[in-house]
Amino acid sequence: GAVVSQHPSWVICKSGTSVKIECRSLDFQATTMFWYRQFPKQSLMLMATSNEGSKATYEQGVEKDKFLINHASLTLSTLTVTSAHPEDSSFYICSAKQGPTLEAFFGQGTRLTVV
Amino acid sequence: EDKVVQSPLSLVVHEGDTVTLNCSYEVTNFRSLLWYKQEKKAPTFLFMLTSSGIEKKSGRLSSILDKKELFSILNITATQTGDSAVYLCAVVPIDSNYQLIWGAGTKLIIKP
Repeated sequence: GAVVSQHPSWVICKSGTSVKIECRSLDFQATTMFWYRQFPKQSLMLMATSNEGSKATYEQGVEKDKFLINHASLTLSTLTVTSAHPEDSSFYICSAKQGPTLEAFFGQGTRLTVV
Repeated sequence: EDKVVQSPLSLVVHEGDTVTLNCSYEVTNFRSLLWYKQEKKAPTFLFMLTSSGIEKKSGRLSSILDKKELFSILNITATQTGDSAVYLCAVVPIDSNYQLIWGAGTKLIIKP
């Protein structure tokens, strides 16, 4: 299957700082990328959908100014958590798909801890 | 409101047992159903089911979809400790741009 690389795997940052998470499709062109958040023992919560070259579409309740998503190329999308707070600590996962195919591939996820 | 319900929420069995995980859904304009396995990190894709009655198989894992009764099952035979994971089911509606509707998952623990 196709490979999606997410970086970093884990990050610890101080309150008030910003953190950038990268999601790269290594062997295919990701026309659409999805960013999820997962709390312990809970299912994946879709945060936003981004199509290459367009502004991301955010789900209800997700602050677009806090979670900045950029999908400037067909192989890279970034999620920046701005002015992070401890309640932003979570597991963030990206997935990517190419064109109209149904199958999406997941990155390894990023464990964010804000102290 | 569209929803996906998985059962049981958790399951503990012994190595060698066979398990059946359930996923039922109420989704407008169903397109396909996907099964994922999640261990410590991101989910790993297992199966995509679009048509009713056609079993998908991969080693000891198999899955089938019933579009009339709106459910899918994931079977694991001769379970091994490495099968311990959370198994997630998700449904893709038509025209959703692949925004999945996720079940809460079934936590499977295989005891040696």
